[in-house]
Amino acid sequence: DGGITQSPKYLFRKEGQNVTLSCEQNLNHDAMYWYRQDPGQGLRLIYYSQIVNDFQKGDIAEGYSVSREKKESFPLTVTSAQKNPTAFYLCASSIGTRYNEQFFGPGTRLTVL
Amino acid sequence: QKEVEQDPGPLSVPEGAIVSLNCTYSNSAFQYFMWYRQYSRKGPELLMYTYSSGNKEDGRFTAQVDKSSKYISLFIRDSQPSDSATYLCAMNNEKLTFGTGTRLTIIP
Repeated sequence: DGGITQSPKYLFRKEGQNVTLSCEQNLNHDAMYWYRQDPGQGLRLIYYSQIVNDFQKGDIAEGYSVSREKKESFPLTVTSAQKNPTAFYLCASSIGTRYNEQFFGPGTRLTVL
Repeated sequence: QKEVEQDPGPLSVPEGAIVSLNCTYSNSAFQYFMWYRQYSRKGPELLMYTYSSGNKEDGRFTAQVDKSSKYISLFIRDSQPSDSATYLCAMNNEKLTFGTGTRLTIIP
């Protein structure tokens, strides 16, 4: 079964802590993305990666970091510098970055306590 | 002004009705248009993908693109309670730009 998995489904963080969200895909897609979804704001791009060992900032990268050491994996770290991290985080992948439809994982709900 | 505008709703219609969901956009460089369906607390699921003006049909769903008016629509025929979800339009040039989503409820 091909698809995108995200873990954990729910995550709670204390203020000042860094947390890492996992994203894995077995679709053999080159490109991977991280979005943040807040009520009434749609999806906003945090980071994306077109190829292993390369990634670019999206529209709201401040307070986040990523790595792309393997084609299948694109973890997102939410650092303590992110002022308002409570949100629904979505990972997606596509064959390439230009003109290709993106397929999404099930999401991780992060709550700061 | 946002690049993509979408009425957030909520929109409630009776079962069996035809549903019309719409987005407008301002960037004429957009060439590819998508509709995603998102159930509560789930990831978006790709419904339709089009790249030219005109209509594309898939079962009960029809996607319509009018590039001259910068307007796209999704029609759902014979709507079912299982169609209750948030529908997101998305458009692709260098990156994917999403509308805010329309929350749809089908009333049995």
